[in-house]
Amino acid sequence: DIQMTQSPSSVSASVGDRVTITCRASQGISSWLAWYQQRPGKAPKLLIYAASSLQSGVPSRFSGSGSGTDFTLTISSLQPEDFATYYCQQANSFPWTFGQGTKVEIK
Amino acid sequence: EVQLVESGGGLVQPGRSLRLSCTASGFTFGDYAMSWFRQAPGKGLEWVGFIRSKAYGGTTEYAASVKGRFTISRDDSKSIAYLQMNSLKTEDTAVYYCTRSIGTTVTTFAVYWGQGTLVTVSS
Repeated sequence: DIQMTQSPSSVSASVGDRVTITCRASQGISSWLAWYQQRPGKAPKLLIYAASSLQSGVPSRFSGSGSGTDFTLTISSLQPEDFATYYCQQANSFPWTFGQGTKVEIK
Repeated sequence: EVQLVESGGGLVQPGRSLRLSCTASGFTFGDYAMSWFRQAPGKGLEWVGFIRSKAYGGTTEYAASVKGRFTISRDDSKSIAYLQMNSLKTEDTAVYYCTRSIGTTVTTFAVYWGQGTLVTVSS
């Protein structure tokens, strides 16, 4: 199975800050990577697919980059509604696997 | 508007069975792959399984933790996906989510999610 390692596990930031979350795959997954946002008590929401494609309706302050084994999710200017947990997920091969999550908290 | 509504969750004893349903609307159900994910209380996300559309054989894939115990099926005439869960264990306790793939040919990303249904396995 492909292991996905996210870092950091949590980050404290202020509104307006730039936040970067990284995700590393244990083997190459090309661009078969998605990023999800999950607010407490809610279903996950797809933000980025194919490593860098912004899902329709997602604000442009979210961006994704990377290929192979190393990936990044960037929030360019953190907004109050962005405080949530973020997960990366590989879809290169079954079983699909997730990173452990990164909780973005208010500083 | 795409909607996915899960149902069938509840409290069940270890070793028993439960069937979850995912009723879809707002799109041509038969054209899309469907997946199930779960999230144990306070834990991260876990992929459970996947069913391709009939155009791609309607075949299934499962996580090792549920393979042989869980079965995913679909009824395209009713726009419903099912998750049959047998021999349930306490570690199967989770919120179960039904999802739809992002496209009819790109089936690998879950763009639409249901609200989830809680399954509690306890004696």
